[in-house]
Amino acid sequence: ETGVTQSPTHLIKTRGQQVTLRCSSQSGHNTVSWYQQALGQGPQFIFQYYREEENGRGNFPPRFSGLQFPNYSSELNVNALELDDSALYLCASSLDPGQRAEKLFFGSGTQLSVL
Amino acid sequence: SQKIEQNSEALNIQEGKTATLTCNYTNYSPAYLQWYRQDPGRGPVFLLLIRENEKEKRKERLKVTFDTTLKQSLFHITASQPADSATYLCALPISSGSARQLTFGSGTQLTVLP
Repeated sequence: ETGVTQSPTHLIKTRGQQVTLRCSSQSGHNTVSWYQQALGQGPQFIFQYYREEENGRGNFPPRFSGLQFPNYSSELNVNALELDDSALYLCASSLDPGQRAEKLFFGSGTQLSVL
Repeated sequence: SQKIEQNSEALNIQEGKTATLTCNYTNYSPAYLQWYRQDPGRGPVFLLLIRENEKEKRKERLKVTFDTTLKQSLFHITASQPADSATYLCALPISSGSARQLTFGSGTQLTVLP
């Protein structure tokens, strides 16, 4: 089975720009979650997508938005980039967004630097 | 507010010894807790899950305990090896709408010295 893949691996943007990050979920997984990980911190939940709909959201402003496609791949879009948006952005796939104890399968992330 | 705390200091131990990492949480009663390993520049990798009705879980050299009274989980690596050097994250589920959001601690960086 194929794992979670993210692109690009690294990205440098300037403040005010917009960025799109991409994720292909693990084969057979229909749920995608996005996390932001600042240096020295644990991953922070941004949002989750299930069946192409946003299924839950963390404490992130609306300039963070996403999409999920029929093949379960996903995009994370960030508008009006700020310096504090510099972080590792992680995509994680899982089988079920419900209450069962599902483990997450993470990609290697996209390292975003905002100058 | 809900809070997860892991060992605030990095942990250095000698090869062959047992590493013990701590995860404490407050204002929360999770149905389960997960542990992940993260290497530099990589995403976290799932290691173990322990449910609230389980006291202990083992997988090869790994052992996790879960004390819901103390609101604490301990993660042990026995016979540690330099290859075990990584950051270890504990995570608890919080419902956000119909999503199950995993909330992570800040991690403990473990270094096993040869």
